[in-house]
Amino acid sequence: AQKITQTQPGMFVQEKEAVTLDCTYDTSDQSYGLFWYKQPSSGEMIFLIYQGSYDEQNATEGRYSLNFQKARKSANLVISASQLGDSAMYFCAMREGPSGSRLTFGEGTQLTVNP
Amino acid sequence: NAGVMQNPRHLVRRRGQEARLRCSPMKGHSHVYWYRQLPEEGLKFMVYLQKENIIDESGMPKERFSAEFPKEGPSILRIQQVVRGDSAAYFCASSPAEDTQYFGPGTRLTVL
Repeated sequence: AQKITQTQPGMFVQEKEAVTLDCTYDTSDQSYGLFWYKQPSSGEMIFLIYQGSYDEQNATEGRYSLNFQKARKSANLVISASQLGDSAMYFCAMREGPSGSRLTFGEGTQLTVNP
Repeated sequence: NAGVMQNPRHLVRRRGQEARLRCSPMKGHSHVYWYRQLPEEGLKFMVYLQKENIIDESGMPKERFSAEFPKEGPSILRIQQVVRGDSAAYFCASSPAEDTQYFGPGTRLTVL
């Protein structure tokens, strides 16, 4: 079974609008972490935001926020005020367990920001 | 503070040759991870190392692949007798503990 599911292979958004990228996860651990990474066409992986399973507040980093709904096992990324430079592949990832190490990645969502 | 360094950025090998990929973690980071990204796919975990120790190699293919992180110097991912299916982007990440992983720019391996 997929541990991380990103159901949107591609998304389009107009510049300056907000966009939500979906991510659902599957784990039986009580302690886990959720991450979002951005991969532009140049290929590097850029860390965006982190949410711990015990964090009561949704994580925010500048224009990025994570809509964490624990009961639904979803961790959607919200990008506000989209910019052309936000066009990239976005990956959701999970680290399981209190001392887990490996990240399990979803298949990614290709976001295109239109002018 | 320099980020995670990987070299070479691009590597071309013929079938049967060896590929050596190097990764220098961020300063102060003692945990190194290797991931592989096949075309049009997400990243897949390969191995997790700390200095001189392999902690988790459950994602490594059983043959031809090996990894090390010596006391001095970079971490090395070694692929012996490469085949076309090894063509991929190989990413290294580092963290100060079991914490947020920061990725290097990747090495694109092409096997002819």
